[in-house]
Amino acid sequence: SAVISQKPSRDICQRGTSLTIQCQVDSQVTMMFWYRQQPGQSLTLIATANQGSEATYESGFVIDKFPISRPNLTFSTLTVSNMSPEDSSIYLCSVALTNTGELFFGEGSRLTVL
Amino acid sequence: LAKTTQPISMDSYEGQEVNITCSHNNIATNDYITWYQQFPSQGPRFIIQGYKTKVTNEVASLFIPADRKSSTLSLPRVSLSDTAVYYCLVGAGQTGANNLFFGTGTRLTVIP
Repeated sequence: SAVISQKPSRDICQRGTSLTIQCQVDSQVTMMFWYRQQPGQSLTLIATANQGSEATYESGFVIDKFPISRPNLTFSTLTVSNMSPEDSSIYLCSVALTNTGELFFGEGSRLTVL
Repeated sequence: LAKTTQPISMDSYEGQEVNITCSHNNIATNDYITWYQQFPSQGPRFIIQGYKTKVTNEVASLFIPADRKSSTLSLPRVSLSDTAVYYCLVGAGQTGANNLFFGTGTRLTVIP
């Protein structure tokens, strides 16, 4: 299994500012994933973050808006840039066990943009 | 990627068995079927995964017919604490690379 810690757990931000969310895993993992979950909706994959390479973004998400860092095998950050109220969501970090594909999730970071 | 279709919501009384069916008509040969449970203000949690026939663990059973175009998550004797959203995912789960895309999910409400 994997234990994932995210910071901050929640934040209220002003329009036009940026916020960086941190994700720490208790073991080394190859792939880390960032999801967005808008209120009352399902999870949408933003990007896959692999250590030592650029993140791979899904359709509708771009690096300029959601820059991702992956400096080592236990840590990643997601920045939400130039925020607008439409960015108000829960952002979740996830890792996969490569032998089963099972995903483990952090508790999420609830972001409210005013 | 195999698209999944689930009922948007279901209600059940406590103590009943609940069956949630997921349709995945375009499932590929190497795709696995995985179910997750999500409580409010928490990330999803893995419930069960299978490839064919029947899989059972301590919390649920997963029934997959021979054609694999659907699957049914069975929760025995539900309690109020089983109220959650249940997601069916289809992908190459054993590689961890493609079993990443969540559908709409089924919101299960357990009634006392």
